[in-house]
Amino acid sequence: EAGVTQFPSHSVIEKGQTVTLRCDPISGHDNLYWYRRVMGKEIKFLLHFVKESKQDESGMPNNRFLAERTGGTYSTLKVQPAELEDSGVYFCASSQLAGGRNEQFFGPGTRLTVL
Amino acid sequence: GDSVTQMEGPVTLSEEAFLTINCTYTATGYPSLFWYVQYPGEGLQLLLKATKADDKGSNKGFEATYRKETTSFHLEKGSVQVSDSAVYFCALTVGDYKLSFGAGTTVTVRA
Repeated sequence: EAGVTQFPSHSVIEKGQTVTLRCDPISGHDNLYWYRRVMGKEIKFLLHFVKESKQDESGMPNNRFLAERTGGTYSTLKVQPAELEDSGVYFCASSQLAGGRNEQFFGPGTRLTVL
Repeated sequence: GDSVTQMEGPVTLSEEAFLTINCTYTATGYPSLFWYVQYPGEGLQLLLKATKADDKGSNKGFEATYRKETTSFHLEKGSVQVSDSAVYFCALTVGDYKLSFGAGTTVTVRA
């Protein structure tokens, strides 16, 4: 069974440009999460989808970030326009069920560098 | 809010040495506790977990015990190998889906 995949693995863009990150969850997982690790600090929650609906987007930093999950399958996270402080590693995770006892399976992350 | 504080790295050890990574937490409710590991070039993997006080999670020779009285979940391994070189993250969740992570500890094991 394929795990969570993310694309691209690395992205280098200039300040003011737009970048779109993609996440493909494990097939059958209704729950999809985005997290971010900035500057080697703690990994922080960004948002949670249940199927195509945003369940919780309380961790999204500001309105330059837009997440979508069309048809409840893959998800995209767009940053527009990108700022220097957006640099970091963006992780996607999925789980079959929600709730703290249900394991979240993580992708390898996308390393975003904004110059 | 909920937070996790873990021992800062980097940690460098020789093979067969004993490894401890300290983790303490603050939580608004009764958390479930986790250790995740990220090997070079890979995603985060769940290493072990504990969901109630005094539970011991274990996997691949690693252990951690949920200590409610000290709000701790320290990770230990008695004899590390080069293949244990990775970044280790302590995390918690309180009854829901949001994981709160520590800053990560980079461990390098030398042959």
